Amino acid sequence: AQRVTQPEKLLSVFKGAPVELKCNYSYSGSPELFWYVQYSRQRLQLLLRHISRESIKGFTADLNKGETSFHLKKPFAQEEDSAMYYCALSGFGDDKIIFGKGTRLHILP
Amino acid sequence: DAGVIQSPRHEVTEMGQEVTLRCKPISGHDYLFWYRQTMMRGLELLIYFNNNVPIDDSGMPEDRFSAKMPNASFSTLKIQPSEPRDSAVYFCASSLKGQGTGLLFFGSGTQLSVL
Repeated sequence: AQRVTQPEKLLSVFKGAPVELKCNYSYSGSPELFWYVQYSRQRLQLLLRHISRESIKGFTADLNKGETSFHLKKPFAQEEDSAMYYCALSGFGDDKIIFGKGTRLHILP
Repeated sequence: DAGVIQSPRHEVTEMGQEVTLRCKPISGHDYLFWYRQTMMRGLELLIYFNNNVPIDDSGMPEDRFSAKMPNASFSTLKIQPSEPRDSAVYFCASSLKGQGTGLLFFGSGTQLSVL
């Protein structure tokens, strides 16, 4: 069965410190992984996806198939990074996209 | 395009009443998803449609929930009768297969409170 686990409900980090939001998944086939972000009073939106291998707003995420993880990282946190972050998974060729429970990131001044 | 449009933004109702949530996807998108967001369970996929046809409704919690997509520009999620545990934010999202997997465009959500 498909499953996405985000172990932290809340993560508080000081401005300028490194950020790592954890995501682990369970999927028997070839997964596609994504991170979505919801800023205060804004719509949920795609932040990045593993197939693009891109860095968005300083965030990166590497798919580790051995550890079945897709952690989101940023070397230096900024106050505007405060938001709700969701890890999501889809199977290759599958249209269904499921989400983890989300992690609220709070950047402390 | 104004993006995915959901109505109402807020709904307060009493237990036992029928609730209808509405969604207008982005024009030309061929997939439509309904999600429910709660503190305890995060974002749960309820049902999704492809070209107006329901593909997977395994996430619909009970028979009290039903969803329809009568045409490419409109979908409804109905709860009848509603219960306090249905209180949540309900999101609609649409996507276009040609844009790549995982690129969902979300509406602003409907905050449902069942008293």
